[in-house]
Amino acid sequence: IAGITQAPTSQILAAGRRMTLRCTQDMRHNAMYWYRQDLGLGLRLIHYSNTAGTTGKGEVPDGYSVSRANTDDFPLTLASAVPSQTSVYFCASSASQEVNTEAFFGQGTRLTVV
Amino acid sequence: GQNIDQPTEMTATEGAIVQINCTYQTSGFNGLFWYQQHAGEAPTFLSYNVLDGLEEKGRFSSFLSRSKGYSYLLLKELQMKDSASYLCAVNNDYKLSFGAGTTVTVRA
Repeated sequence: IAGITQAPTSQILAAGRRMTLRCTQDMRHNAMYWYRQDLGLGLRLIHYSNTAGTTGKGEVPDGYSVSRANTDDFPLTLASAVPSQTSVYFCASSASQEVNTEAFFGQGTRLTVV
Repeated sequence: GQNIDQPTEMTATEGAIVQINCTYQTSGFNGLFWYQQHAGEAPTFLSYNVLDGLEEKGRFSSFLSRSKGYSYLLLKELQMKDSASYLCAVNNDYKLSFGAGTTVTVRA
């Protein structure tokens, strides 16, 4: 089934540990995004990529890094996790970053940092 | 930057109509989206507006006024399955920014 896949589904992580959240899409979409969703704050953009080989910072990029080596994959890395990074993380993709292209979301990764 | 505001919660009766308002202030505007998100699930696309006016898709309609920085999502003939969070999102300088969402509860 075509779509966007995230892994893991959930994770409990000790503070200070390094963690990579995986995101893969098979729709050949150019644009990919990482959001975190916290109660009362909605979805906030962490990092984005408009095309393979390029990335940009979103609203809340500190403590996170991304790479876009190819069209399909867009991993998000927490170099040294802190409790404030406890959240639900959504990866999304769209055909392009321009107008009139809806974003498709993965099922999310629930991360708890203790 | 951007500022996207929508009400936190709304409650309505099955079969009724509910209108969810969204106001925004952005440095660059390239379209407005509405998404639906059921609890514990991913957001799914509902509608898109880039020009002023009303877009109708079945029981759901969305309106945009760019000069007023205003949109609304209209849900007609409410069903229990419409209980969800509704997210207003603005394509701002080619990045999609979301409001905090409006939780709609449909009562029997």
